[in-house]
Amino acid sequence: DVKVTQSSRYLVKRTGEKVFLECVQDMDHENMFWYRQDPGLGLRLIYFSYDVKMKEKGDIPEGYSVSREKKERFSLILESASTNQTSMYLCASSEPRGRVNEKLFFGSGTQLSVL
Amino acid sequence: AQSVSQHNHHVILSEAASLELGCNYSYGGTVNLFWYVQYPGQHLQLLLKYFSGDPLVKGIKGFEAEFIKSKFSFNLRKPSVQWSDTAEYFCAVRSSSNTGKLIFGQGTTLQVKP
Repeated sequence: DVKVTQSSRYLVKRTGEKVFLECVQDMDHENMFWYRQDPGLGLRLIYFSYDVKMKEKGDIPEGYSVSREKKERFSLILESASTNQTSMYLCASSEPRGRVNEKLFFGSGTQLSVL
Repeated sequence: AQSVSQHNHHVILSEAASLELGCNYSYGGTVNLFWYVQYPGQHLQLLLKYFSGDPLVKGIKGFEAEFIKSKFSFNLRKPSVQWSDTAEYFCAVRSSSNTGKLIFGQGTTLQVKP
């Protein structure tokens, strides 16, 4: 079974702190994604990466950055956390578009609270 | 820009009732369509997907969805729901010409009463 592991299940940070959310997948997937999930808004794409050192902005990249130095690891960085970044953050990975068994595999999520 | 709209935010059904969850997308080109489900306390997982071919797609656990291109819709259906179908359901769409960016709808919470 594919495993997408997010380093923390719950995280509490203060406004202005730099926050790192880590995600590791064990299936050699090329694509990795960061979403945030908020009630009534569904999942919104923050950033995604389709290769090492490659990244593309999603729909809500403001206030976030990402790092993909190794294929299996995709980090989300909040440079200066703000209260409106309190959310559930979901990491996902997949094989490249078009593969027969293509689908997103999600991690269990990190519930981040910014006080 | 692509967008996905799920009309029903919260649906409550009794067991054995039939289910239809609406999903409409806005994009003029060729798309790939997905339904994902999140059971309480679990990861999001794929229910079914449509890439091409037969517009009626069958997924896991008795779910199916029909792609109607003229209506830009991909509604999810199940003839008879069970209590275990209680979950949040997300429709998602991706341009087939796009590298991989998947856009999700707002989600529909389904509550099935035993």
